Amino acid sequence: EVQLVESGGGLVQPGGSLRLSCSASGFTFSSYAMHWVRQAPGKGLEYVSAISSNGGSTYYADSVKGRFTISRDNSKNTLYLQMSSLRAEDTAVYYCVRRVAGTVLSGAFDIWGQGTMVTVSS
Amino acid sequence: EKVMTQSPATVSVSPGERATLSCRASQSVSSNLAWYQQKPGQAPRLLIYGASTRATGIPARFSGSGSGTEFTLTISSLQSEDFAVYYCQQYNNWPLTFGQGTKLEIK
Repeated sequence: EVQLVESGGGLVQPGGSLRLSCSASGFTFSSYAMHWVRQAPGKGLEYVSAISSNGGSTYYADSVKGRFTISRDNSKNTLYLQMSSLRAEDTAVYYCVRRVAGTVLSGAFDIWGQGTMVTVSS
Repeated sequence: EKVMTQSPATVSVSPGERATLSCRASQSVSSNLAWYQQKPGQAPRLLIYGASTRATGIPARFSGSGSGTEFTLTISSLQSEDFAVYYCQQYNNWPLTFGQGTKLEIK
């Protein structure tokens, strides 16, 4: 079964840091671009970040640029999102998502994890 | 940034009837448009990509159309499990952007 499982969410104070992980199974992880998408409580979907299949290309939304770092370890089938200088507005469910098979970084997302909640509050 | 505007915000439709949801892009996104369904407490699910290609396992009652700036998701005969929030997403340009969602309610 194709699956993405996020972990690492929790409560963190403003200005703090957190690292999210996403464990992939059931497919050849190293062949797919991967992304993070978030959803604030009761709100819509917001794009966060992308990484190419080999990790050589990345993209960040302006709202997280300079504060978040996306990375991957293809030997461990794991995607990461290192978040620092966290703000209250970063509070959201963070989804790890797989891009539909293709050669470019952008695309539609065919597999979603269950999400991990990040709460930034004092 | 390409702004995606969905209409209406909420629509009420009876089971068995047809539902038509709209998504408009502020600039052309060609056919690089996807539709997702999200039920309460669940992750979104891909329905349509490339504006009109159904994702794996998606029933034929879901169809997408359009190109450029105007897109439509049609659900031909609503089933009880179709009542949810629907999002469109453009992936033609960075940043990738989502519409604000349309809530499909039971009438």
